[in-house]
Amino acid sequence: GENVEQHPSTLSVQEGDSAVIKCTYSDSASNYFPWYKQELGKGPQLIIDIRSNVGEKKDQRIAVTLNKTAKHFSLHITETQPEDSAVYFCAASGAVGFQKLVFGTGTRLLVSP
Amino acid sequence: DVKVTQSSRYLVKRTGEKVFLECVQDMDHENMFWYRQDPGLGLRLIYFSYDVKMKEKGDIPEGYSVSREKKERFSLILESASTNQTSMYLCACNRESNQPQHFGDGTRLSIL
Repeated sequence: GENVEQHPSTLSVQEGDSAVIKCTYSDSASNYFPWYKQELGKGPQLIIDIRSNVGEKKDQRIAVTLNKTAKHFSLHITETQPEDSAVYFCAASGAVGFQKLVFGTGTRLLVSP
Repeated sequence: DVKVTQSSRYLVKRTGEKVFLECVQDMDHENMFWYRQDPGLGLRLIYFSYDVKMKEKGDIPEGYSVSREKKERFSLILESASTNQTSMYLCACNRESNQPQHFGDGTRLSIL
């Protein structure tokens, strides 16, 4: 089955810096890759997603890139702000049968003012 | 916006008890999911349902069962709670497979 690895587990940056979180997946048939942000005491919220027919997607300060050959995808946050501090999860969904999400282990991002 | 409501934010139960966690969604979505979240392990799928009365095992179904009698409600049942089931439980739903999942805010369950 699918396996998703996520790095780093913690990331500390200064306000205004960029942050990059990387994930690799094992199933070359996976075709949907969402990113979720989880704030303290809340459930995960989708912030951006990408499908396998697209190499990059942007939404304001957030971008996701996908390299199908290498089977990895990354989240890029530019001009970080303290409110970006949260836990971020990547996930991958296979193409066979009912498409369940397999999640990475999460990255705790801390943005210091 | 989709709203997913989990009946309890915090729950404390004793070993051996039968525990029910309830989840309700208000957007008529077909699919519903139960995950548990543990530090360093991310979210792991326990069970999911793609239709009323239909259920499928996820990656870690042992010790759990589910019930979906109505489209909007998905219940997770711990038949005989054990301390290793202490965790954060998250419910989610989506309209179709491979569409974004919408999560509730979780139930933090402690088994003493």
